[in-house]
Amino acid sequence: SQQGEEDPQALSIQEGENATMNCSYKTSINNLQWYRQNSGRGLVHLILIRSNEREKHSGRLRVTLDTSKKSSSLLITASRAADTASYFCVSTGGFKTIFGAGTRLFVKA
Amino acid sequence: IAGITQAPTSQILAAGRRMTLRCTQDMRHNAMYWYRQDLGLGLRLIHYSNTAGTTGKGEVPDGYSVSRANTDDFPLTLASAVPSQTSVYFCASSDSVIGELFFGEGSRLTVL
Repeated sequence: SQQGEEDPQALSIQEGENATMNCSYKTSINNLQWYRQNSGRGLVHLILIRSNEREKHSGRLRVTLDTSKKSSSLLITASRAADTASYFCVSTGGFKTIFGAGTRLFVKA
Repeated sequence: IAGITQAPTSQILAAGRRMTLRCTQDMRHNAMYWYRQDLGLGLRLIHYSNTAGTTGKGEVPDGYSVSRANTDDFPLTLASAVPSQTSVYFCASSDSVIGELFFGEGSRLTVL
């Protein structure tokens, strides 16, 4: 399979806690993106990190990228019940866009 | 602002029937994509188009065809549906092949 891998597959936390999701990919990339999907809905873009960047912030989101390990992590700080969703990493390189299988996050109020 | 519109939102289809899923975007994006999403497998690319008039095969193209007669429309056709094509289908677009993807709300297809 060309797919990337995400870890964990599912994560359950209390509101206010931080959530960390990890992603590994297989090929060299131009960028790596994270998307969110609410149940039964389309995916929504969260953040893009370029291959020459190591860390990026957007609001409560922090993304890191380690190209030597071909891995990325998404940190959501001070989680809210509304953050409950599936999160996907997407690696883009050589005109190919490859999705991971996703992490299902459940934030308990 | 509509973004990406997919139709139908849901369809039940008998095996062997022909089906076309419609996708229209109003963002004038060059690139468009069709993905299928199956439980535990994330999204897999079926076909893509980098610009009007061109198409290419993705990871799982068998049993599907696409056309890109103009910038806005990118229909996906199942010539003879089979039960393994039961899935949720997402259309997406981007203004470059490595840029942000914009997704439709999906078409849930059940083939009996």
